[in-house]
Parts: sequence; structure tokens; C-alpha cells
Amino acid sequence: AQSVTQLGSHVSVSEGALVLLRCNYSSSVPPYLFWYVQYPNQGLQLLLKYTSAATLVKGINGFEAEFKKSETSFHLTKPSAHMSDAAEYFCAVSETGANNLFFGTGTRLTVIP
Amino acid sequence: EAGVAQSPRYKIIEKRQSVAFWCNPISGHATLYWYQQILGQGPKLLIQFQNNGVVDDSQLPKDRFSAERLKGVDSTLKIQPAKLEDSAVYLCASSLQGASTDTQYFGPGTRLTVL
Repeated sequence: AQSVTQLGSHVSVSEGALVLLRCNYSSSVPPYLFWYVQYPNQGLQLLLKYTSAATLVKGINGFEAEFKKSETSFHLTKPSAHMSDAAEYFCAVSETGANNLFFGTGTRLTVIP
Repeated sequence: EAGVAQSPRYKIIEKRQSVAFWCNPISGHATLYWYQQILGQGPKLLIQFQNNGVVDDSQLPKDRFSAERLKGVDSTLKIQPAKLEDSAVYLCASSLQGASTDTQYFGPGTRLTVL
């Protein structure tokens, strides 16, 4: 069975500070991992995904994430937060041979001016 | 390229009433998904179609929820009768082939309030 845990339902950072959103997964087979962002009253938009190629994945808007098998983690980072980064972020996992995504409960990011 | 379209954007009904949501996926996408997103939670898959066939409906409450994808394009999700706990955002998504690594593209969702 697969699952995702996102530590911290709310994260606040100052503008220009490092963003770190945590995601740990559980999977019985090699996973594929995704980060999505959701702005208010909008659908989810893919930020980046890990599909067993490079373990450091770069996405849109300056975000990146590193797959660490030993830690079963896929944390999302951005060196310098921008006001426009304020949104809800979801980590999701799918498994080889499976067709659907299991989402975490989300982390709401607030950026303080 | 047009994204995933959903309507209506908002719906308010009373419990025991029925409601239907419509989704038009990205042109050429074979796979269509319906998710339920309850406030404070991540999206949960309700049903997945591959063309006009159902791939996975294990999480769909079949006593009250139904969905169809006529001709393998548009899809409709229906709730009859609605319960208070059905209040949520219903998201439609589509992907090219439904492979594990495919990107799913989401529509803006329909926010349902059941009173």
C-alpha cells in the first residue's frame, strides 16, 4: 500500500527566505513522486515529478526536490521565497504499474513581506 | 492548448437533492479522473476512465454516486441523493495515457455545498 505524509500543515517564511516543504512516502515498490501546487479557487498544477531518472528534480518557478530512498523522502525546496509562492502544496505518489495518485494532506505556505 | 474544463464552478443544494457535474478533458487525453477534495484534505480518487471504460471505481460510493464518459470524451459525475458529508470540491483531471509517470492536468473544480 502507498501513502504520503506531509509534515506541517502550515509553513510561514519571510520573503527571500528558504522554502522547505517536507514529504515522506510509503511504498512497497519503487515509487513515482509528484509535487502539485494549488492556488485559491484553482485546480492543481504540476510543479515537478520524479520518475526514476535523476534524483534531484528541477521544476517550475524555481522549485526543486530530491528523492532520497534511504530516508523515503521527497522534500520540496526553493532558495528564495516570493510572495507569489503563497499557495497550498501537495505531495503525491504513484506506483509502477498503477494508474492513480495518492495525495498527502497538503501544506499551506504563507510568505511574509 | 485549452485546459480541463469543468462546470458549474459552484453549486449549493439541500441534502437528499441530486446534482451533476460536467468535465471536458484536454483534447486527445485518453484518461479521465474524478477526485473529491474535502476541506483540509488532499484529493481522493473517486473514479478513473480509460477512454470510455472504467479502470478504477473502488473508492466511488456507488449507492449514491455515478459517473459516465460517453464516447470517451466528456464526463458527468452525479450524486443522488446528496448527503451533508458530500460537501467538497470535485476535481476532474486528464492525462495522455494514464501511465504511472503521466502528468495529470486538473480543472478548476466544482465546489459543492450541501445544506
